[in-house]
Amino acid sequence: DTEVTQTPKHLVMGMTNKKSLKCEQHMGHRAMYWYKQKAKKPPELMFVYSYEKLSINESVPSRFSPECPNSSLLNLHLHALQPEDSALYLCASSLPGQGSPYEQYFGPGTRLTVT
Amino acid sequence: DAKTTQPNSMESNEEEPVHLPCNHSTISGTDYIHWYRQLPSQGPEYVIHGLTSNVNNRMASLAIAEDRKSSTLILHRATLRDAAVYYCILLSYNFNKFYFGSGTKLNVKP
Repeated sequence: DTEVTQTPKHLVMGMTNKKSLKCEQHMGHRAMYWYKQKAKKPPELMFVYSYEKLSINESVPSRFSPECPNSSLLNLHLHALQPEDSALYLCASSLPGQGSPYEQYFGPGTRLTVT
Repeated sequence: DAKTTQPNSMESNEEEPVHLPCNHSTISGTDYIHWYRQLPSQGPEYVIHGLTSNVNNRMASLAIAEDRKSSTLILHRATLRDAAVYYCILLSYNFNKFYFGSGTKLNVKP
């Protein structure tokens, strides 16, 4: 199984809502990532988890809160978002450790619209 | 952070080879060169990666310049399914980060 799944596929939320994005993989990967991708732009790294610990936060606003409850799951909790946060949110995973040259496996993404 | 430079777009005919260039003049000795592609409405997909030597796999070949300041992704016979945005990325040895460049949009004509 070389699949990364993300739910939901689409999400529309108001600026006062709280919602969560979910990502799951069963490849035994111990590094997991969140990216944000605006239309016609490359993905931008948001967070990196290594062995279930947050290792990189790319100065992301606190209205985005990541969580890695176990080695297979990665969540992104959303609260008080702004319309400019509307984007495709991508999850990825790879073999473990910093400095790993291994490829990342990406999920299909969650298309988020903030109204 | 090391950066990559790629042409915005390229065009190819179906069943012909395609050479996608990438410049990375600030690469450090331990940076890996990765290539990913993103088909419309999908997440990025790994294509190939290398460090110093040329690499081949079932999808493509990666040619790395001797000074490592540039590389070329080679699709040996382009198909319509290869139409995508191709990203050249440097992965720092010290940090498990991917910084995507702006990418090259490949259009394949039948």
